[in-house]
Amino acid sequence: SQTIHQWPATLVQPVGSPLSLECTVEGTSNPNLYWYRQAAGRGLQLLFYSVGIGQISSEVPQNLSASRPQDRQFILSSKKLLLSDSGFYLCACDRGRNQPQHFGDGTRLSIL
Amino acid sequence: DAKTTQPNSMESNEEEPVHLPCNHSTISGTDYIHWYRQLPSQGPEYVIHGLTSNVNNRMASLAIAEDRKSSTLILHRATLRDAAVYYCIQGTDTGNQFYFGTGTSLTVIP
Repeated sequence: SQTIHQWPATLVQPVGSPLSLECTVEGTSNPNLYWYRQAAGRGLQLLFYSVGIGQISSEVPQNLSASRPQDRQFILSSKKLLLSDSGFYLCACDRGRNQPQHFGDGTRLSIL
Repeated sequence: DAKTTQPNSMESNEEEPVHLPCNHSTISGTDYIHWYRQLPSQGPEYVIHGLTSNVNNRMASLAIAEDRKSSTLILHRATLRDAAVYYCIQGTDTGNQFYFGTGTSLTVIP
């Protein structure tokens, strides 16, 4: 079965600092990969998804970017964090349309 | 965004069945209905999904209306561990770019 590793579990960063969150997947090859963000008390918002190495689609304009340097590695980055980037960031994967999506344990990001 | 409509919250007594409703009036013929649940401070967990027929698995059952504009997630015997936010998601014809609304917060009363 698919396992998603995300780290760190929590992160506190100052405004204007860079960000790099990494997600790696085990147990499958050529997965679709996703980054979601969840603000406090809200539902998940899809930020980026990728269907293959180097292929990134952005769902919403924002201060963040994503990259997929390897088949099972997905990275979320920012050059300068804003207060509005605070939230719970979740990485997910699946094997195709209408297949179950599996989520990591998430990173709780606080911007000070 | 393909959006669904769910009640904000529901309560159930422990060991009783729970029926969680969802409306998806804009669904097209090939869009699946997916259900996930999320416990506090955790990522969502897949529950069940289906297209037209009713579906059963070890976690729950999914009853889909004949016109497919609504569905109901059925937990046959609620336990305290079932207390979570339940999301009903309408799939898209381009993939699994899911739109998670605010879901239904289920409280299970001992």
